[in-house]
Amino acid sequence: KQEVTQIPAALSVPEGENLVLNCSFTDSAIYNLQWFRQDPGKGLTSLLLIQSSQREQTSGRLNASLDKSSGRSTLYIAASQPGDSATYLCAVTGAGSYQLTFGKGTKLSVIP
Amino acid sequence: GAVVSQHPSWVICKSGTSVKIECRSLDFQATTMFWYRQFPKQSLMLMATSNEGSKATYEQGVEKDKFLINHASLTLSTLTVTSAHPEDSSFYICSASTTGLETQYFGPGTRLLVL
Repeated sequence: KQEVTQIPAALSVPEGENLVLNCSFTDSAIYNLQWFRQDPGKGLTSLLLIQSSQREQTSGRLNASLDKSSGRSTLYIAASQPGDSATYLCAVTGAGSYQLTFGKGTKLSVIP
Repeated sequence: GAVVSQHPSWVICKSGTSVKIECRSLDFQATTMFWYRQFPKQSLMLMATSNEGSKATYEQGVEKDKFLINHASLTLSTLTVTSAHPEDSSFYICSASTTGLETQYFGPGTRLLVL
């Protein structure tokens, strides 16, 4: 059974800092990996999707990497802003499946 | 594009009553819709997968007679929590996909509080 772990559970940084969120998964047979953002009491916003054959994806100040063999992904946020404060979720889709397995998330607070 | 809505956004009900939550894909046809539940400080857990016109597939531990799912059209799926109890209080989120293997687009969620 796939398990997804996110470290740290919470992170507080001053505005302007660069930061890295970590995600690990136990079964490397994945179809893709996604990073989502969830604001309090809200649904999910997809940030980046990395196919299993890709190593990284970039969107603006966000960069996500994937090392499938080691079961790890990182989300790098450059020049953090207070508006980045949210919970960031990592989720993997198993190969041959459509099911997403989520981590518990990292709650990010960017202090002005 | 790819907008998914949920209604209601929040609901409070008495124990023993039934609650229906709607999930709609507004600008695309969703062959497959997923229902997730999220308890505080926990990850999203898949409850069931529904394909238009067929019975939903429930995850282990999810009671199909308690959580009734109907996916009668390519743009609408409903989740009915029957005889709701306080332990059913949670955040319910749906997602929709054109084929099931493609990207899932998530709704804004429905917060259910059972008194």
